Amino acid sequence: DVKVTQSSRYLVKRTGEKVFLECVQDMDHENMFWYRQDPGLGLRLIYFSYDVKMKEKGDIPEGYSVSREKKERFSLILESASTNQTSMYLCASSSSGGTAYEQYFGPGTRLTVT
Amino acid sequence: GIQVEQSPPDLILQEGANSTLRCNFSDSVNNLQWFHQNPWGQLINLFYIPSGTKQNGRLSATTVATERYSLLYISSSQTTDSGVYFCAYTGGFKTIFGAGTRLFVKA
Repeated sequence: DVKVTQSSRYLVKRTGEKVFLECVQDMDHENMFWYRQDPGLGLRLIYFSYDVKMKEKGDIPEGYSVSREKKERFSLILESASTNQTSMYLCASSSSGGTAYEQYFGPGTRLTVT
Repeated sequence: GIQVEQSPPDLILQEGANSTLRCNFSDSVNNLQWFHQNPWGQLINLFYIPSGTKQNGRLSATTVATERYSLLYISSSQTTDSGVYFCAYTGGFKTIFGAGTRLFVKA
């Protein structure tokens, strides 16, 4: 079974703090994604990566950056957390071959910025 | 771009009842996934079903790509089936999710 893990289930941070959200997958997937999910807005893509050290902006990259130094790990960074970044963050991965469209999600991190 | 619509938006069932959830897409698709988001927020893969029919226990799904829809069947529902069900289509690196069907199964 594909396993995607995220570093924290719940996180509380203060405004202005630098926040790191970590995601690790164990299926040697090339593609990794970060989404945020908010009531009424659905899932929105923040960033994705299709290879080590490669990254592409999604629909809402402002206020975020990412890092992918190893194939299995994709980090989301909030450089200076703000209250409007309070949200559920979901990481996903997929293969580039075969069923490339099949995404697998981690358990999510509920981030609260106070 | 392709639009994905789900119906019904909300559904309340008595435990043991059967249900059908629908996903319509605005154009032909070559891939489709169904997910269940549990009350803790995790999105769990149910089916990857670009066409045809698949079954997994009490759940089954059918996609008719030429008619632009997919159906998710839940039989003998249980309280643990509660949550939100999403269908999603991926084009390139972008995944389009439907708005979801919120299911509550009463004991």
